[in-house]
Parts: sequence; C-alpha cells; structure tokens
Amino acid sequence: GDSVTQTEGLVTLTEGLPVMLNCTYQTIYSNAFLFWYVHYLNESPWLLLRSSTDNKRTEHQGFHATLHKSSSSFHLQKSSAQLSDSALYYCALSEGYNKLTFGKGTVLLVSP
Amino acid sequence: EAAVTQSPRNKVAVTGGKVTLSCNQTNNHNNMYWYRQDTGHGLRLIHYSYGAGSTEKGDIPDGYKASRPSQENFSLILELATPSQTSVYFCASGETGLANTEVFFGKGTRLTVV
Repeated sequence: GDSVTQTEGLVTLTEGLPVMLNCTYQTIYSNAFLFWYVHYLNESPWLLLRSSTDNKRTEHQGFHATLHKSSSSFHLQKSSAQLSDSALYYCALSEGYNKLTFGKGTVLLVSP
Repeated sequence: EAAVTQSPRNKVAVTGGKVTLSCNQTNNHNNMYWYRQDTGHGLRLIHYSYGAGSTEKGDIPDGYKASRPSQENFSLILELATPSQTSVYFCASGETGLANTEVFFGKGTRLTVV
C-alpha cells in the first residue's frame, strides 16, 4: 500500500536559518498528489501546499516544495525560518478517492 | 467558510465504557473521515464515509465503529473503551473523488481512557 516517510521527528532551528523538512513516499499510482499540512497547537491542521506535477515548484506563505517523481520526494523548504513557523508538519499522499495517507509528522521548533 | 465542528473537545472515559465522538460539517462535502493522532505515528485513518449511510474501514478500525446518519454528521463510537484508545481524534471532510482536493479538519477531541 501507499506510504509516506518523514525521517525527522523533530527539527530545531534558530530564527533566520533555512528550513528543510524531508518527505519521501511510495505509491504505485502515477498521478498521486502530495500535500503538506501544518498543525498549530490547539488548532485544526490545514493545507499548506499540494502538487502532482513533476519537477514543478509550488509555493505558499513563504514555503515551497518540488515534487520529484524520480526520487519520490516532496521536501518542504523555506529560505528563512520565523518563530511563527513552529508547528507540526505533515506530508501526505492521495492516490484518489480523497483518501489521504499521512507521514508521522515533523515538529519544527524555531528559537530566537 | 469551511467548518468542521467536533464535540466534545475533551473527554475522560472509564475503561469498558462506551464513548461517542461527534462531528458536524457545514461544507456539504460527501466524504468524511476520522483520524487519530499519536506521537510517533502521525495521523492514522480509522473510518471514513462517502455519504449518508455509508461507512468504510480505514487503516486502524479495530475497536471502533462509525455512523453517518446524514450528510452533515459523522460519529465515531468506542463500544468498550480501552486505555490504548487514549489519543487526540480528528474529524475531517472533503470533496468526492478528486485526488487533489483539500481536506478540512476539526480542532480535535482529546480522549483519555482511565
């Protein structure tokens, strides 16, 4: 079945440094969609980015990600971390029928 | 604006007791989902539904039942709650059949089984 791997459970950064959260996936479905959801404490998780287009950069709210089907990766990046970026980030995969498979999540902690 | 509302937001239950978690959505989405969130496991799908009257097993359905009496409402039922079901539960809704569709989540229900 489908799977999503986020290798880091916790990433700690100093404000201003670049962010990179890793996401790799496995699926037999050639047109799968990849997503990044962000979850702030005591709030609802919400959609940050999504893509199904190979090698195309997708951007939103200062974050960006590029789907690379050759390496089955969809890493989340930001050029400069802000304190307000501290949250739990989920990479997710959908092969259709609106059924999402989530990774284990990465907590990003940004300190002054 | 899209809205998924869960109740209760916090619940303490006794082992062996019955627990019902409720979810209401005003998005008019056909699909609804129940996930549980645990550290080290992320969000895992328990049950989902394609519309009123339908329920499907997700990846970890054991110990849970679901009920979708209407388009708007989707409940998760723990007939015999166990401490291993202590978790944060999220309900979500989304459009049917489109792989790129955004899923909208509620704020979660924190369940503690003692």
